[in-house]
Amino acid sequence: SAVISQKPSRDICQRGTSLTIQCQVDSQVTMMFWYRQQPGQSLTLIATANQGSEATYESGFVIDKFPISRPNLTFSTLTVSNMSPEDSSIYLCSVEDWGLAGGHEQFFGPGTRLTVL
Amino acid sequence: AQSVTQLGSHVSVSEGALVLLRCNYSSSVPPYLFWYVQYPNQGLQLLLKYTSAATLVKGINGFEAEFKKSETSFHLTKPSAHMSDAAEYFCAVTRMDSSYKLIFGSGTRLLVRP
Repeated sequence: SAVISQKPSRDICQRGTSLTIQCQVDSQVTMMFWYRQQPGQSLTLIATANQGSEATYESGFVIDKFPISRPNLTFSTLTVSNMSPEDSSIYLCSVEDWGLAGGHEQFFGPGTRLTVL
Repeated sequence: AQSVTQLGSHVSVSEGALVLLRCNYSSSVPPYLFWYVQYPNQGLQLLLKYTSAATLVKGINGFEAEFKKSETSFHLTKPSAHMSDAAEYFCAVTRMDSSYKLIFGSGTRLLVRP
């Protein structure tokens, strides 16, 4: 099973600035996902990042606001651009990998808690 | 559109009591179903999953869930709650347009009273 780390774990940013969040996996994985969890709410998928291709974005999310890089099979970044207070959320990355109990599962990183002032 | 409904945003039980967290899904084709737990300031951890094998699924930490197709439900249970079970629990299903993508319910916060 995959072990995922994220940097930074939290940040406080000024509106209008951008923040890049890093996601590192301890094994090579094909599919990586980025989610947003707004305060007190559930997880919403932002985009799917596959190595060697452009990220695919879900309805309501656009590349200009959330550019994603996936340079290799163990690493991805999500940038939150031109931030506003509405972007204050926890951002989580996850990967598809083979689970200990068999079958594919999604493993999640610890999240990045972003506050925009 | 597909959806996942978790009844009760907060559930409070006494330590040692039965835990029941409800999850219903809408899908014309039985999906894969999951329960995740999120402890404060942490990411999500998989508790258990249903992938069309046994309808009663056992997971970690003494939790189990039963898939009932006729009721489109996948409720999570634990016979005896521990204080350490206090957390947020999310039910999730695979999307019909992509089995790799998940739709999450709104979450249920479990409170365990001493």
